[in-house]
Amino acid sequence: EAQVTQNPRYLITVTGKKLTVTCSQNMNHEYMSWYRQDPGLGLRQIYYSMNVEVTDKGDVPEGYKVSRKEKRNFPLILESPSPNQTSLYFCATGYSNQPQHFGDGTRLSIL
Amino acid sequence: QKEVEQNSGPLSVPEGAIASLNCTYSDRGSQSFFWYRQYSGKSPELIMSIYSNGDKEDGRFTAQLNKASQYVSLLIRDSQPSDSATYLCAVKRKRDTGNQFYFGTGTSLTVIP
Repeated sequence: EAQVTQNPRYLITVTGKKLTVTCSQNMNHEYMSWYRQDPGLGLRQIYYSMNVEVTDKGDVPEGYKVSRKEKRNFPLILESPSPNQTSLYFCATGYSNQPQHFGDGTRLSIL
Repeated sequence: QKEVEQNSGPLSVPEGAIASLNCTYSDRGSQSFFWYRQYSGKSPELIMSIYSNGDKEDGRFTAQLNKASQYVSLLIRDSQPSDSATYLCAVKRKRDTGNQFYFGTGTSLTVIP
């Protein structure tokens, strides 16, 4: 079964405490990407990766980092989270360099 | 100016009617166009993609693209209550290091039984 797995699904944390949201896929897709979804703003791309060790900024990369050391994993790192990063986050993967499968989402609350 | 604009709705149609969802984009360099469906509390799911001018049909769904007018639409024929969801339009813009995606804020559709 095709799966995009994000962890954690929910997290409440405090300003400044580093956190990592993991994303793992079992479809051997080269393309992976991260989005945040906020009311009235829709889905906005944070970072994307075309393949291992190839990543680039999306529309709203400030305050985030990513790494792509292996094909199946694409973690999103918040080194010093702030309240404006409170959001619903989605990881997506696909072939032909487009998002076709989304994870179930991670709801982050930063106090 | 937003990259992708959609009417937020809500759009209500009776069961069995045609639902018409519209989207405009600002960058003429955009190459590919997508429609996603998102049920409340769920993740988006890809339902259609379209790359060239004209219509593309897939079951009850038809995507229409007019690059000269920078306009994309999605028609849902014989609408069912299960089609009630938010529909997201997205465009792909090619960059040197890959493809950047821009999403609209979505149109909420309610199909009334």
